[in-house]
Amino acid sequence: DTGVSQDPRHKITKRGQNVTFRCDPISEHNRLYWYRQTLGQGPEFLTYFQNEAQLEKSRLLSDRFSAERPKGSFSTLEIQRTEQGDSAMYLCASSSQGARNTEAFFGQGTRLTVV
Amino acid sequence: TQLLEQSPQFLSIQEGENLTVYCNSSSVFSSLQWYRQEPGEGPVLLVTVVTGGEVKKLKRLTFQFGDARKDSSLHITAAQPGDTGLYLCAGGPISGYSTLTFGKGTMLLVSP
Repeated sequence: DTGVSQDPRHKITKRGQNVTFRCDPISEHNRLYWYRQTLGQGPEFLTYFQNEAQLEKSRLLSDRFSAERPKGSFSTLEIQRTEQGDSAMYLCASSSQGARNTEAFFGQGTRLTVV
Repeated sequence: TQLLEQSPQFLSIQEGENLTVYCNSSSVFSSLQWYRQEPGEGPVLLVTVVTGGEVKKLKRLTFQFGDARKDSSLHITAAQPGDTGLYLCAGGPISGYSTLTFGKGTMLLVSP
């Protein structure tokens, strides 16, 4: 396994269009996270899955955002009716269900530009 | 909400210098991770510290977790241009779900 994989790496879309991103986690990891990062900021938590269950969603995740992990493996993040403020790096991470630590391994991200 | 403050926000030094960056919070964390991120890439995990007072070394990098598990520091000895990047700390919660809270990062530029 080569790590967390995200597709596409870059996406340019017109305002109002829908976009979907895919994340393939490390195969033995049952936890999957989506984060958003804008310039000069650290990653901000969006949502978290354990297996196929979406256990937590941030208030940052408006109703235009939806994430799925139907079979507990890969995940998709869809943004409907994109706005310029959605332009950011969308990061996916995965981790195994461990004891105390929650270290996560990140993909290379999807850079979204809304024009 | 757990908040992690990182300082300094930006650091520009010459090759061979030593430096320390800090990660502070008023909250207690079950663990703390340090990541390095290069432009256009995802963060890469450097280390995880779990026990209060723990010190971990990774070549020229030394990581310390505060006794109270509220703060951490990263010290780099004899910095090299390859150390350039955004250094992020992230804390795991004591209770609740397993999401990480990130600081805004310290941008390090090491010039030859």
